[in-house]
Parts: sequence; structure tokens; C-alpha cells
Amino acid sequence: KAGVTQTPRYLIKTRGQQVTLSCSPISGHRSVSWYQQTPGQGLQFLFEYFSETQRNKGNFPGRFSGRQFSNSRSEMNVSTLELGDSALYLCASRKAQGTTEAFFGQGTRLTVV
Amino acid sequence: KQEVTQIPAALSVPEGENLVLNCSFTDSAIYNLQWFRQDPGKGLTSLLLIQSSQREQTSGRLNASLDKSSGRSTLYIAASQPGDSATYLCAVGYGGSQGNLIFGKGTKLSVKP
Repeated sequence: KAGVTQTPRYLIKTRGQQVTLSCSPISGHRSVSWYQQTPGQGLQFLFEYFSETQRNKGNFPGRFSGRQFSNSRSEMNVSTLELGDSALYLCASRKAQGTTEAFFGQGTRLTVV
Repeated sequence: KQEVTQIPAALSVPEGENLVLNCSFTDSAIYNLQWFRQDPGKGLTSLLLIQSSQREQTSGRLNASLDKSSGRSTLYIAASQPGDSATYLCAVGYGGSQGNLIFGKGTKLSVKP
């Protein structure tokens, strides 16, 4: 069966712009989580969505937001981009919230110039 | 604050050697622990999931153990191969409303032919 699909794979944006990333979870999975990975900080949790509701949020500024659609696909938006937002953004798919095995997509590499 | 530590940060071994990667966590009230592999610039591949009620899980040449009381997990790789070269990450999950995973910084493994 198809895995977790993230689009686009690569993005280059300018400071001050906004960006939207997309994640399609494994079919039948209802939980989608987003993580930011940087060399210095490692993997840090952004937020989790389950049944179209944000269930959990990490310690990131309000410029980072997300949503989940009725088909479980999720989008993440970052507004007013800063150089420090350059990172690999990873999406994780789970069948249920919090308790089951997480499967990750290939990520979106965002570069802010 | 839950913290996950992985030691060593990097490891280089000759092909064929058996090796152990270590993961420790500060809060023993975990729900599960998951080991991942990450190749450069790629997403995370799930290797093993251990529920809090389990002591170990095995998949092929991989064996992961969990000791909740001491806050430790190990990933044992038997008969290492150059294709095992990657960064190995452990992540703990606390279940319930706290659905996110907390990751260690990883161990970068290099297996020399």
C-alpha cells in the first residue's frame, strides 16, 4: 500500500514569504503529525491533527499553523518566513492518536534565502 | 521535561561486527518506544516499535530491548553491513493526549567494508 506522501519535496522561498506544505497519510490513518528537523535542534514536534482537530501543539510561534481535511490529508503553513525556518519538514502518519506505530514521509526540504 | 539521549553520537565499525546503540529517557512513564533509521536527506524509516508492556522486539538482524524502570533501550544490530550505514534515531511516545514523539539526536553509524 502507498506510504506517506509529502509535497513538494523541495522549496526555495524568500524571507517574508509564506509557504504551504502538504502531507497525505497512509490510507486508513487518521492521525497526522508534523516535525521540523534541523542539524542543531534535531527533530522537534510542531503539531498533531486527528479527525480534523489539532490535538497537540509544540513550542513554535504562531507563524506555524496547520489543518487537516476530512480525507485526513494535512497541510502546514508557515507565514512571514525567516532564515531560521530552513529545515526538513517531516510528516508522520498513524492509524490512531498517540498509541500506534508512526510512519514518516520523505519530507519537504525548505530553504529560506 | 522529557529528554531522550542517544550515545554515542557517531560510531564506525568494520563490516560483520555486532553492535549496540543506546537510548535513554528521563521519564519512565512511556507508552511506547520506536527506533527509526534515516538516510542522508531522507525521511525516517520505522525499524521497530516496542510497547511499554514488552521487553524486546526483533526484526531480522535487529533486536530492540526496553527497560522502562531504568529508562533505557538498546538496538542490537547483528553482522553489520555497509548498507546499515545511516543515522539511527529513537523516539519515545507518551500516549493519550500527548500524541507526539520525543526524539533523541541520533547515532550516526558507518559500517566500513
